[in-house]
Amino acid sequence: DTGVSQDPRHKITKRGQNVTFRCDPISEHNRLYWYRQTLGQGPEFLTYFQNEAQLEKSRLLSDRFSAERPKGSFSTLEIQRTEQGDSAMYLCASSSGLAGVGDTQYFGPGTRLTVL
Amino acid sequence: LAKTTQPISMDSYEGQEVNITCSHNNIATNDYITWYQQFPSQGPRFIIQGYKTKVTNEVASLFIPADRKSSTLSLPRVSLSDTAVYYCLVGDSHSGGYQKVTFGTGTKLQVIP
Repeated sequence: DTGVSQDPRHKITKRGQNVTFRCDPISEHNRLYWYRQTLGQGPEFLTYFQNEAQLEKSRLLSDRFSAERPKGSFSTLEIQRTEQGDSAMYLCASSSGLAGVGDTQYFGPGTRLTVL
Repeated sequence: LAKTTQPISMDSYEGQEVNITCSHNNIATNDYITWYQQFPSQGPRFIIQGYKTKVTNEVASLFIPADRKSSTLSLPRVSLSDTAVYYCLVGDSHSGGYQKVTFGTGTKLQVIP
């Protein structure tokens, strides 16, 4: 399978703990995105990487959240001092960034975070 | 920031054609229209994308009128497995082609036996 993969698929943690999620994009996709989705809502944009550069961050990404893509391939999203309000599905997507076409984003299966 | 409006929910019987219309009055010249399907506890799955007129692939057709202020996703002969939420998106084109997309609440399609 050469799609976007995410790990873990499920994470249960206690309030105040730190968690880290990993995303492996489609090979050779140079754009990578993180979204958060709560029940009954559509995904909300969190941040965007072009290769290793983080080019945009949503105001939803508080200072407890940090994302990296150190070598322009996989990415990690860390949440420090988790709160119950962080409980959500965290989705990763990637796109090829080819010029001249609508830059379709392909999504991974998501990581479901539950903060107790 | 382009916004979309689509029905909150739709019901259809198996075997029928389903058309879901999305309004995007403020679509920009460079924006593409993309539709995704999402099942519970899964990531959105790309269905189809278009810029103007009609686009067809193996799973759906997308109809876009000349003014591009709306689009219609057409699913032929739906089955129970098509029960899902369908999102219509338009991209906000940034320099370099990156499209920041905004998801609405989508249309929940329920296919009835």
